[in-house]
Amino acid sequence: GAGVSQSPRYKVTKRGQDVTLRCDPISSHATLYWYQQALGQGPEFLTYFNYEAQPDKSGLPSDRFSAERPEGSISTLTIQRTEQRDSAMYRCASSLSGWGGEETQYFGPGTRLLVL
Amino acid sequence: DQQVKQNSPSLSVQEGRISILNCDYTNSMFDYFLWYKKYPAEGPTFLISISSIKDKNEDGRFTVFLNKSAKHLSLHIVPSQPGDSAVYFCAATRGGAQKLVFGQGTRLTINP
Repeated sequence: GAGVSQSPRYKVTKRGQDVTLRCDPISSHATLYWYQQALGQGPEFLTYFNYEAQPDKSGLPSDRFSAERPEGSISTLTIQRTEQRDSAMYRCASSLSGWGGEETQYFGPGTRLLVL
Repeated sequence: DQQVKQNSPSLSVQEGRISILNCDYTNSMFDYFLWYKKYPAEGPTFLISISSIKDKNEDGRFTVFLNKSAKHLSLHIVPSQPGDSAVYFCAATRGGAQKLVFGQGTRLTINP
């Protein structure tokens, strides 16, 4: 596609519910990143994929958070048993080859999650 | 522990003047630095970057300066234009690492 797309753009859920966020990266981009951005803060790294491999999950806040990219293209981020502190903007980014953080990352518009 | 800090949440500059955005970092392992620009309702977009082997990188109206001894970088925009009004994020990474570490952002407003 022309750019990184994310869905839904907004999600309101009740505490304790599970949510799944979707990211569609730029086609042919090998690497896909997930970030969490709290209000008034910069994006904070959660995890990344190189094709379907997930070499780094160090930023995931708890085991309630998981991500998948089973066919090396579209990715989902799932938050189980949501808590109010999970409310944030969740951003996805992709890069062409993933040879390092120096490579330009292209960000999607984000999914705004609100947990009531 | 905030490894990348942008201490000015906002900055207002008159059109045509110079805008200077500042960023400090604490991790001496960082060796590559980037600036991203973000408009409302959009994702951040890459603006300019600099490697630690350089102290200056210029791209049109945008120049980034790096002072490794002070662990400080700055973005200069000259002349500032109304379309430059956005939130600017400083980010850092180290060689081989995939993740970017972002600052909190500075909202730049260019006044006509």
